[in-house]
Amino acid sequence: GQQLNQSPQSMFIQEGEDVSMNCTSSSIFNTWLWYKQEPGEGPVLLIALYKAGELTSNGRLTAQFGITRKDSFLNISASIPSDVGIYFCAGQIPGGSNYKLTFGKGTLLTVNP
Amino acid sequence: NAGVMQNPRHLVRRRGQEARLRCSPMKGHSHVYWYRQLPEEGLKFMVYLQKENIIDESGMPKERFSAEFPKEGPSILRIQQVVRGDSAAYFCASSPLDRGEGGYTFGSGTRLTVV
Repeated sequence: GQQLNQSPQSMFIQEGEDVSMNCTSSSIFNTWLWYKQEPGEGPVLLIALYKAGELTSNGRLTAQFGITRKDSFLNISASIPSDVGIYFCAGQIPGGSNYKLTFGKGTLLTVNP
Repeated sequence: NAGVMQNPRHLVRRRGQEARLRCSPMKGHSHVYWYRQLPEEGLKFMVYLQKENIIDESGMPKERFSAEFPKEGPSILRIQQVVRGDSAAYFCASSPLDRGEGGYTFGSGTRLTVV
């Protein structure tokens, strides 16, 4: 099956710092999605990207759909303690089952106040 | 407007017992998806259902697992004769269309522990 490689696996940062994480694949994707999961909860959609090169912001979050369609990054600016959680990238492969998402293993973010 | 509701939130079963996980989609959503999350892993697709139909169960183990989404009532994921390896978080998502590109709305999950 398709594999998404997410890095880094975990990050420990100070409040106020900027954060960057990315996701790569050996295959192209039609759609890239970024989710955040807090302990004991389900993933919550943060940003959805639909076109190669697309750059989208949601408050302090910015994500881009790579030109090659094989990668995406998520940036968080001026981090705050409530940014703590696991961030997952997810994508849809072209053709076939357009309802099926492939998820990365996640980046665990810890923010020290 | 309630979100996707899953229950129970936590479920403990002994090996060999049955686990039944329930999911009520968001109002107006007729497409339901089940995903499984093993510890320290991302979510893995299991099954996609519409009312009274299983559309794609390619991610679901052939043995012991079954899913349904009846005309009335919630979607049910059923695991018979559970084993320790079934311990995981099971998430349900729903959408109004048969596309995931808009991003599903996930429930809070059921955390199954097999002892």
